[in-house]
Amino acid sequence: EAGVAQSPRYKIIEKRQSVAFWCNPISGHATLYWYQQILGQGPKLLIQFQNNGVVDDSQLPKDRFSAERLKGVDSTLKIQPAKLEDSAVYLCASSQTKQYFGPGTRLTVT
Amino acid sequence: DAKTTQPPSMDCAEGRAANLPCNHSTISGNEYVYWYRQIHSQGPQYIIHGLKNNETNEMASLIITEDRKSSTLILPHATLRDTAVYYCIVRPTNTGTASKLTFGTGTRLQVTL
Repeated sequence: EAGVAQSPRYKIIEKRQSVAFWCNPISGHATLYWYQQILGQGPKLLIQFQNNGVVDDSQLPKDRFSAERLKGVDSTLKIQPAKLEDSAVYLCASSQTKQYFGPGTRLTVT
Repeated sequence: DAKTTQPPSMDCAEGRAANLPCNHSTISGNEYVYWYRQIHSQGPQYIIHGLKNNETNEMASLIITEDRKSSTLILPHATLRDTAVYYCIVRPTNTGTASKLTFGTGTRLQVTL
């Protein structure tokens, strides 16, 4: 069974630039999550989708972050404009019962 | 806020059992105890979960105290590949917004030769 795929694996941008991350969940998983993991901390939920609807985006900084899951499968997370404090690993996970995580995208904002 | 308390780090000799403790004194009756681990540069990986009874799978055993206020994850024969950060998480049984995982800072387990 294929796991959760994410791309790119690494991204370096300057502050005020924009960036987008892509996630392909495990086939058949209706629930998709985006987490942010700052160095030395545990992952923190940004947004949760059920199919193509948002279940929880209470921790998403909506002035600069956006996410979509148009057809209930793949998802993209965008940051515009990026700040230095957005440097982190962005993890995508999908689930039916247990959550399965992708390898993450390491973002460095300079 | 995370509802669990774990030691920040532990060491274990290869081949020995690694016993990772977790306190969850405010756990509710409908909340499961989940364990995930995160190997360097990888996403978190599910290990095991339980409600009341002790659980065992091919990766580990989970021992939950009778009052459910603490638990211990046991890796019976630790190897160097078990070096990782281990997260103990409590999570309700219902779905929807309650299905999210709230991570603390975990326990960094270092397995040594």
